[in-house]
This record gives sequence, C-alpha cells and structure tokens, in this order.
Amino acid sequence: GENVEQHPSTLSVQEGDSAVIKCTYSDSASNYFPWYKQELGKRPQLIIDIRSNVGEKKDQRIAVTLNKTAKHFSLHITETQPEDSAVYFCAASINSGTYKYIFGTGTRLKVLA
Amino acid sequence: GAVVSQHPSRVICKSGTSVKIECRSLDFQATTMFWYRQFPKQSLMLMATSNEGSKATYEQGVEKDKFLINHASLTLSTLTVTSAHPEDSSFYICSASGAAGDDGYTFGSGTRLTVV
Repeated sequence: GENVEQHPSTLSVQEGDSAVIKCTYSDSASNYFPWYKQELGKRPQLIIDIRSNVGEKKDQRIAVTLNKTAKHFSLHITETQPEDSAVYFCAASINSGTYKYIFGTGTRLKVLA
Repeated sequence: GAVVSQHPSRVICKSGTSVKIECRSLDFQATTMFWYRQFPKQSLMLMATSNEGSKATYEQGVEKDKFLINHASLTLSTLTVTSAHPEDSSFYICSASGAAGDDGYTFGSGTRLTVV
C-alpha cells in the first residue's frame, strides 16, 4: 500500500543552525504535500504545504522542496530557534475514492539554546 | 481560519464501557472528517474517513464494530469506542476538510483516552 517514509526520527541542532527533514512517498499520483508541527500534547498545525506543480515554496524561515521524479520532498528550517522544537510530520495526499493523507513517522526536532 | 473543536480533551473510563468523542467544525462545512489514533511518540495513524450522510470507510485493521463513526451533519462527526479495553488507551484526534478536500486539514485538539 501507499506509505510515506520520514527521516531522521530525531534531530538536534544548535540555535541558529538549519534543520532539514526528508520524506519519500510511494504513490506517484500524490499531488499535495503538507507539513505539520505538533507540540507536546497539542494538535498538529499546518506550517507549510506544496503542490506537485511547484518545485519549491518558502515562507520566512521555512521552505519545502519537492522532487516529483524521485518522489522526495523536504522541509528546511533556517535560523532555528528554541520554539521550533517540536515533532514535525510530513504527509502526502492519496486519492483512493476519498481524498486523504498518509503521514510520515515524524521527526522530533530539538533546538539547543 | 478554520476551527475544529473536539471534546472531551481527556476521558478516563472503565474497561467494558463505551466512550463517545465529538468533532465539530465551527466555521465551515466539513464534507469529510478523518479520525486518527496516535500512540506516544508515534505518527498519526488514520483509522477511518467519515463522509457526511454515508458510512465511514475504515482503514485495514481497524474494527468498525469497535470504533463506531457517525457523521450525521456537515459540522459534526462522532467516534464511539465501544467496550473499551486498556489497549484502546491512546490519543484520538480528528481532522476535517471542506469541499475542496485538498487544502490542508484542520485538526481538532485531540482526546486522550485512558481505559482502566
């Protein structure tokens, strides 16, 4: 079945450094790729998304890149801050009658002050 | 922006009882709602997809008789965990999308279920 792989599972960076999280999806028909940030005990929040007709999207310190040929997409966070510490999930759209998402396994990012 | 309200936020129940969790879209019509389960330090696992006015579609391995889903209106979906057991203890979270379907989900705040 469809799946989304996400790496790394944990990531520690020094404040001010960049963080990169990578995902690979299996369904070539996937055309929408959101990223969510989940703080401990809270709901996931959409932080950025990208559609398959775009290769890169940026929003301030956050950017996402998509390589449709390789079925890879990545989240880039620059100038990391302690408040960026959270679990980040990637997702890929699956259209199997009903539009839904398959989530990656999550990356626990810790930004060290 | 779109808001999804989920209640209760925490519930403790005894083994064998049933628990109902509500998910409401407050300012938009949610044609589709999704129910996820999340174990500690793990990803969101889709349990079922709920479309208003029709039967829910369950993911492989999810018992539909145990996890009853009702989507009676465009703003409300409920998940009932029937005959709960300690292994059902988990974080349950709903999400909803509007008619477009592909514009990003809005998640509820989640329900932490503890079965004792």
